[in-house]
Amino acid sequence: NAGVTQTPKFRVLKTGQSMTLLCAQDMNHEYMYWYRQDPGMGLRLIHYSVGEGTTAKGEVPDGYNVSRLKKQNFLLGLESAAPSQTSVYFCASATGAETQYFGPGTRLLVL
Amino acid sequence: GENVEQHPSTLSVQEGDSAVIKCTYSDSASNYFPWYKQELGKGPQLIIDIRSNVGEKKDQRIAVTLNKTAKHFSLHITETQPEDSAVYFCAALPWAGTALIFGKGTTLSVSS
Repeated sequence: NAGVTQTPKFRVLKTGQSMTLLCAQDMNHEYMYWYRQDPGMGLRLIHYSVGEGTTAKGEVPDGYNVSRLKKQNFLLGLESAAPSQTSVYFCASATGAETQYFGPGTRLLVL
Repeated sequence: GENVEQHPSTLSVQEGDSAVIKCTYSDSASNYFPWYKQELGKGPQLIIDIRSNVGEKKDQRIAVTLNKTAKHFSLHITETQPEDSAVYFCAALPWAGTALIFGKGTTLSVSS
């Protein structure tokens, strides 16, 4: 089992460009989450999903959109990237809301 | 909503010493408290967790204690080793919640 994988590992964007981050899990988990991690801020929840076809806002959803068309995939989109979105993005999945399994992260730099 | 405070933000110890990280939570109905370890360049990984009906749980050199009355829980690492150096996050799950609430993390440095 690969667990939770994230694509890409690293990306540089210019302000205003768009991109999609892909999270995939092979553990048949219902719950999936997107976090951003910034120095001194810990893990902040962006959006999450409790099942295929569902999404919900987290603590910092502005500027991001998500989709969960397939149970194993959770996509995070940035429609118009801003320098404030420079961060490390982590995806996680879980059977329920308890034990979360994290991916290796995507480092995003917005110039 | 739930709020989790974590202290200290940084902790430096000598190899072989013990390390303690403390978290407080605000929602008395929270019922699940995990601890995650994040090594440099990697995603967080669960190392131990405790539920509200248990006061203490141990796994080799690590232990977690929970004081429901005071609404705080702590991670204890004994006989620290250089490989324990990492960022540690505590979290709490509100009752019937759908997402963990994380503390801001503690950077532990173990020097040999």
